Amino acid sequence: GQNIDQPTEMTATEGAIVQINCTYQTSGFNGLFWYQQHAGEAPTFLSYNVLDGLEEKGRFSSFLSRSKGYSYLLLKELQMKDSASYLCACMDSNYQLIWGAGTKLIIKP
Amino acid sequence: NAGVTQTPKFQVLKTGQSMTLQCAQDMNHEYMSWYRQDPGMGLRLIHYSVGAGITDQGEVPNGYNVSRSTTEDFPLRLLSAAPSQTSVYFCASSYSGPEGSTNYGYTFGSGTRLTVV
Repeated sequence: GQNIDQPTEMTATEGAIVQINCTYQTSGFNGLFWYQQHAGEAPTFLSYNVLDGLEEKGRFSSFLSRSKGYSYLLLKELQMKDSASYLCACMDSNYQLIWGAGTKLIIKP
Repeated sequence: NAGVTQTPKFQVLKTGQSMTLQCAQDMNHEYMSWYRQDPGMGLRLIHYSVGAGITDQGEVPNGYNVSRSTTEDFPLRLLSAAPSQTSVYFCASSYSGPEGSTNYGYTFGSGTRLTVV
């Protein structure tokens, strides 16, 4: 079957760095998305990776290893506004999205 | 503001009642979809549409109907509400489906929080 695994919750300190992991098993693979979702709000797009390696967008970076079925989202210089859930989603061979349950990130001052 | 508009934001239904969740987008997106989000689970696709007049089932279509008479609108109908349909519902759109959303992702509406009692 198809499966996306992410930690349920993580806690980090303002100003620090946090890495949110995502492992996946899907029927084929056409890329991996990361979305941010603040409590009570809609998800918003952060990144898309289809090739191995690290892609950086400001304070946020996303890494992919296709051979390991693994991705992570790296958040640097954490701010209180980064408190949110982070959703990992894979696109399978039929170009359908399989979503993880999300990781709730709590930032403490 | 351009985007996806969902109404209502909150709704309480009694078991057996029917209702329609509205979704409208003004970005000329061909692809529209409905998801439900439940605690501890990933987003699950209910129905989707790749253009006006075309709809298809997602992962969890039972108990829901959709239609797509225009590019802009994609309403979701609950035929006979059940407590198992208590959830947060999101409408999402993109220019051309998942494979076409790699640059900007989906645009999601603000969600409808539905409680069935």
